[in-house]
Amino acid sequence: EVVMTQSPATLSVSPGERAALSCRASQSISSNLAWFQQKPGQAPRLLIFHASTRATGIPARFSGRGSGTEFTLTISSLQSEDFAVYYCQQYNNWPYNFGQGTKLEIK
Amino acid sequence: QVQLVQSGAEVKRPGASVKVACKASGYTFSSYAMHWVRQAPGQRLEWMGWVTAGNGFTEYAQKFQGRVTITKDISASTVYMELSSLRSEDTAVYYCARDLVASIMGYWGQGTLVTVSS
Repeated sequence: EVVMTQSPATLSVSPGERAALSCRASQSISSNLAWFQQKPGQAPRLLIFHASTRATGIPARFSGRGSGTEFTLTISSLQSEDFAVYYCQQYNNWPYNFGQGTKLEIK
Repeated sequence: QVQLVQSGAEVKRPGASVKVACKASGYTFSSYAMHWVRQAPGQRLEWMGWVTAGNGFTEYAQKFQGRVTITKDISASTVYMELSSLRSEDTAVYYCARDLVASIMGYWGQGTLVTVSS
């Protein structure tokens, strides 16, 4: 099965600054990658799919890139509501594994 | 709008089974696949399996093979996930998530906490 590894585990960034989160797949998954945001006590929310397509209603400050095994989620100019845990997930092969998450915290 | 409303929290003894419901509304139920994902306390999200649209084909993660069953009742617009032989490690929040398109989980239920404790 495909193992998803995210880095860093925790990222401390000041509001208004840019954050870059990484996700690596153990084998090629083409562009079949999604990013989710999860806040405490809430269900995950889809941000990005097909590695770079924003879901409906997601602000343009969220962008994704990559293909194959290396992917990046970038959040430009962080807002207070962006501090959360972010998960990548591959949907190229069953089981559709998630990464362990990156916690984005206020610096 | 798409809504997925899950059944309430459950407390089960080790060895028992639990069946969680996910009632869908706001779209044509039979046109979209549904996934089940769980999250143990402080852990990553874990995909358990799915049931496809139309013929209701199911696929389960190998970790849960033999213990999980996903079914759907089209007349009730409801998908069910049953997990048997429960153990303490199955304590988690269980989510249903509807396909946006092509295996992408675009809409999520509110989650159901299942606690396994003696």
